Amino acid sequence: SAVISQKPSRDICQRGTSLTIQCQVDSQVTMMFWYRQQPGQSLTLIATANQGSEATYESGFVIDKFPISRPNLTFSTLTVSNMSPEDSSIYLCSVASPGAGGYTFGSGTRLTVV
Amino acid sequence: AQSVTQLGSHVSVSEGALVLLRCNYSSSVPPYLFWYVQYPNQGLQLLLKYTSAATLVKGINGFEAEFKKSETSFHLTKPSAHMSDAAEYFCAVSVANNNDMRFGAGTRLTVKP
Repeated sequence: SAVISQKPSRDICQRGTSLTIQCQVDSQVTMMFWYRQQPGQSLTLIATANQGSEATYESGFVIDKFPISRPNLTFSTLTVSNMSPEDSSIYLCSVASPGAGGYTFGSGTRLTVV
Repeated sequence: AQSVTQLGSHVSVSEGALVLLRCNYSSSVPPYLFWYVQYPNQGLQLLLKYTSAATLVKGINGFEAEFKKSETSFHLTKPSAHMSDAAEYFCAVSVANNNDMRFGAGTRLTVKP
């Protein structure tokens, strides 16, 4: 199955600033997915990122707040912009690994906004 | 769009008792179904998946789940709970191997000694 390297693993940020999260996959994948897991809650899909096109955002998430880049088939970034304490969550990237167990998830970025 | 509903946000069982965590799905096309486990402050770990082969799926740590189309269910079971099974469990659905995955709200399993 694919292996994902996600960075940073955690960060504490000041409100009003931005943080960019990176995910590097060890194989080429068509689609990458970004999720948010708020404290004590389930995972919510933020957006789907295809290489060479704009990301597709789920209801409640907008590009200005969560810009995504997908420059090639092995890499993607998610930026959390103009952060507020409500953005404190774990952010995860994911790719589909059809032959090996469904989906592979990055280890997550635990973000705290103060 | 596909979705899953997990019945019961908290389930408590005694050590050695049967574990049953419920999941119902909604999908207009044949689904792929997954169970993940998340231990405190850790990432997601795949327990098992259903991808249209055998309806009874065996996973890791003694867990299994049965796909029942007539009931649109994919409940997770384990015959005998162990203290180490205490964790958050998520049911998830997708409709193709290369499509996004939707998660249920999660069920927190507590195992009493």
